[in-house]
Amino acid sequence: SQQGEEDPQALSIQEGENATMNCSYKTSINNLQWYRQNSGRGLVHLILIRSNEREKHSGRLRVTLDTSKKSSSLLITASRAADTASYFCATDELSFGAGTTVTVRA
Amino acid sequence: KAGVTQTPRYLIKTRGQQVTLSCSPISGHRSVSWYQQTPGQGLQFLFEYFSETQRNKGNFPGRFSGRQFSNSRSEMNVSTLELGDSALYLCASSLVGDSGAGYTFGSGTRLTVV
Repeated sequence: SQQGEEDPQALSIQEGENATMNCSYKTSINNLQWYRQNSGRGLVHLILIRSNEREKHSGRLRVTLDTSKKSSSLLITASRAADTASYFCATDELSFGAGTTVTVRA
Repeated sequence: KAGVTQTPRYLIKTRGQQVTLSCSPISGHRSVSWYQQTPGQGLQFLFEYFSETQRNKGNFPGRFSGRQFSNSRSEMNVSTLELGDSALYLCASSLVGDSGAGYTFGSGTRLTVV
């Protein structure tokens, strides 16, 4: 079964707005990763946050991790049309959620 | 350096046939994992190979098998294809499989079973 579960399933925003998606998981983890997938293509690794970290930044991406709530969030600031994709969280090596599909409208 | 290479990119097979997919990891990476992605089931883990040994296995029937060669290249085989096996098959490689730097994914093989 999948450990990571993303919420919402889909998100539609205007270009320039921020997009926030959440990931919940069930058991203890060593790290959590976020990936992006453009329509029908392979996944691209975005960011990894370790269990002892609370927040991490990479460009326009901000990831938070709350191990007490077993949840993580991914924030994309100042979204662009190119950010239109599905976003997945994955716990440790093997467990992916179903993804959040983000559509950025011009 | 070259990324993860999956071949072929697209494949059409008939129900009942068998298929072999190939994945060449990033040079130096020893761990290769395979995933099946379908619209209904999302991304599901098939198996992981490390140094030619299957280290982890997902919940798929025995029709799905794999192997890894000494050069870390991996193949995945599906026998007696069913319509439901139509999916995007992704492989990912990492140095040692501890996700210290995340996994690098290939672009996938899109398999259609008719």
